[in-house]
Amino acid sequence: GQNIDQPTEMTATEGAIVQINCTYQTSGFNGLFWYQQHAGEAPTFLSYNVLDGLEEKGRFSSFLSRSKGYSYLLLKELQMKDSASYLCASMDSNYQLIWGAGTKLIIKP
Amino acid sequence: GAVVSQHPSRVICKSGTSVKIECRSLDFQATTMFWYRQFPKQSLMLMATSNEGSKATYEQGVEKDKFLINHASLTLSTLTVTSAHPEDSSFYICSARGGREGYNEQFFGPGTRLTVL
Repeated sequence: GQNIDQPTEMTATEGAIVQINCTYQTSGFNGLFWYQQHAGEAPTFLSYNVLDGLEEKGRFSSFLSRSKGYSYLLLKELQMKDSASYLCASMDSNYQLIWGAGTKLIIKP
Repeated sequence: GAVVSQHPSRVICKSGTSVKIECRSLDFQATTMFWYRQFPKQSLMLMATSNEGSKATYEQGVEKDKFLINHASLTLSTLTVTSAHPEDSSFYICSARGGREGYNEQFFGPGTRLTVL
């Protein structure tokens, strides 16, 4: 079956670094997406990985290991506005996104 | 970047009425549009996938006669919740895929919060 696993909730301190992990099992693979979703709003795109390795984009980086079915989102220099849910999604062979339940990130001052 | 709009952003209606939600891709042609539903503190649940000019493909457990989807053009898809009931109250989000060739990203609309009294 298809499955995406990510932690339900994480807490971090303002200014620190946090890594949100995601493991996936899908029928075929056409890339791994990370989205940010603030409460009451729609998801916004953060990153897309289809090749192994680290993609850096400002304070946010995303890593993919296809052989391990594993990805992580790394957030540096955390700001209070980074408090949100972070959704991991794998695109299967039919180009459908299989969504994780999301990781709620709480940032404390 | 690609922009997707949704209208209305919020709607409150009486039980038994029908509600239409529009999803538009503003600056690109969306070959595929997706409709999601999200209940509080839960993840996105895909309801259906629609391709322009063809019938929508509904996910298991989603009633196609209750959630009517029309994808009449490459920039517009509509979701009609027919005979809405309180249990249909939810956050409905559309997304669109298309634009740059070979790129798989889905662009999300801002969502529509439906409250059925």
